[in-house]
Amino acid sequence: EVQLVESGGDLVQPGGSLKISCTAAGFNFVNSWMHWVRQAPGKGLIWVARINSEGTFTTFADWVNGRFTISRDNAKNSLYLHMSSLRVEDTALYYCAREETADWCIGDWGQGTLVTVSS
Amino acid sequence: SYDLTQPPSVSVSPGQTATITCSGDNLEAKFVAWYLQKPGQSPALVIYERSKRPSGIPERFSGSMSDNTATLTIRETQPMDEAHYHCQTWDDSKVFFGGGTRLTVL
Repeated sequence: EVQLVESGGDLVQPGGSLKISCTAAGFNFVNSWMHWVRQAPGKGLIWVARINSEGTFTTFADWVNGRFTISRDNAKNSLYLHMSSLRVEDTALYYCAREETADWCIGDWGQGTLVTVSS
Repeated sequence: SYDLTQPPSVSVSPGQTATITCSGDNLEAKFVAWYLQKPGQSPALVIYERSKRPSGIPERFSGSMSDNTATLTIRETQPMDEAHYHCQTWDDSKVFFGGGTRLTVL
């Protein structure tokens, strides 16, 4: 069974930074492309970032504007999102997700970790 | 950037057919997936590559594409199908979601 467990969500002040993590199990993490997707309370899904299996290729949503970094540690089966210059509008539940690369979709999702940006 | 447009809400009576649309520029040339999300839960894949069903998804769920509009069809809709449905595609190696459609079964 695929398991994606996010952690690290917290209350952060505007302008601050935070690193959230995702620990994977139940599948071949080292061969999987991974994503972060967020969802503000009561709103739709917003894609954040994607990273290839080796961690050498990353893409970001245009609105990220260089504020976020996605990375991974395949030895630890872990995915990370480092966020800086956080804004109130970055408040959301952040999901870690596994790509079904051959099928052009996201096959599995974690339960999410809540990031709240507020003064 | 790339925009996917979904209706905010769709209502259907139990046993009837629900259709949820998702439109975008040149969408016919792209892969489309659909996810359902029940309150308090994470999204779950129901359709990928426009019309394929993952294992475990009932045949009542189907996907199609015409005139740059992707459609998710749910036959014999049941109260348990009540959820938000999100369409998703790719453009320039980036992922885009529609705004989501709330399906109400009443």
